[in-house]
Amino acid sequence: NAGVTQTPKFRVLKTGQSMTLLCAQDMNHEYMYWYRQDPGMGLRLIHYSVGEGTTAKGEVPDGYNVSRLKKQNFLLGLESAAPSQTSVYFCASTTIPFTGLTASEQYFGPGTRLTVT
Amino acid sequence: DAKTTQPTSMDCAEGRAANLPCNHSTISGNEYVYWYRQIHSQGPQYIIHGLKNNETNEMASLIITEDRKSSTLILPHATLRDTAVYYCIAGYNKLSFGAGTTVTVRA
Repeated sequence: NAGVTQTPKFRVLKTGQSMTLLCAQDMNHEYMYWYRQDPGMGLRLIHYSVGEGTTAKGEVPDGYNVSRLKKQNFLLGLESAAPSQTSVYFCASTTIPFTGLTASEQYFGPGTRLTVT
Repeated sequence: DAKTTQPTSMDCAEGRAANLPCNHSTISGNEYVYWYRQIHSQGPQYIIHGLKNNETNEMASLIITEDRKSSTLILPHATLRDTAVYYCIAGYNKLSFGAGTTVTVRA
């Protein structure tokens, strides 16, 4: 049981390039989330999904797109990378929605460190 | 959205209890309090959550005041491996984590 895995672990992009970050979970969780963490700061929600085929915007969605074609995978895309997107990206999953009103426990992946030059 | 306030940093002696405070005075009656930690830039790790009652698990205890405006996470016997950033999350708050408290456990 690998839990939540993220691919790649590190990536350097030039401004304007595109890439896709992959998050995979083997716990059959319905809900998945993408966060970014800038140096010395907490985590901010980018997008989330409440099930296969669904996605929704979080606090900082601009410049990112997501897809959830399979229940176990949640993809985060950067169509035209900018230096402001240099960050560490974390994926998480839960069995019940993490809304602040539920007894929900998030499982996080190890992160992807992205640098845009 | 409930807002949280945590101290920026704190030190703790190895083997002693670490008491981490969190203020969430705007929390509403049905909002949970959650605690996570992040060790050296790894992915955050769930610790504990609570609604009204105090909670305990194998990692920590959570004490929530009767008016629910603040809570304290207690690590009963801190070890060097407990050095981490600890995040308190109260309620919805855009599902995001604040800056947390950097806890350093010293030998």
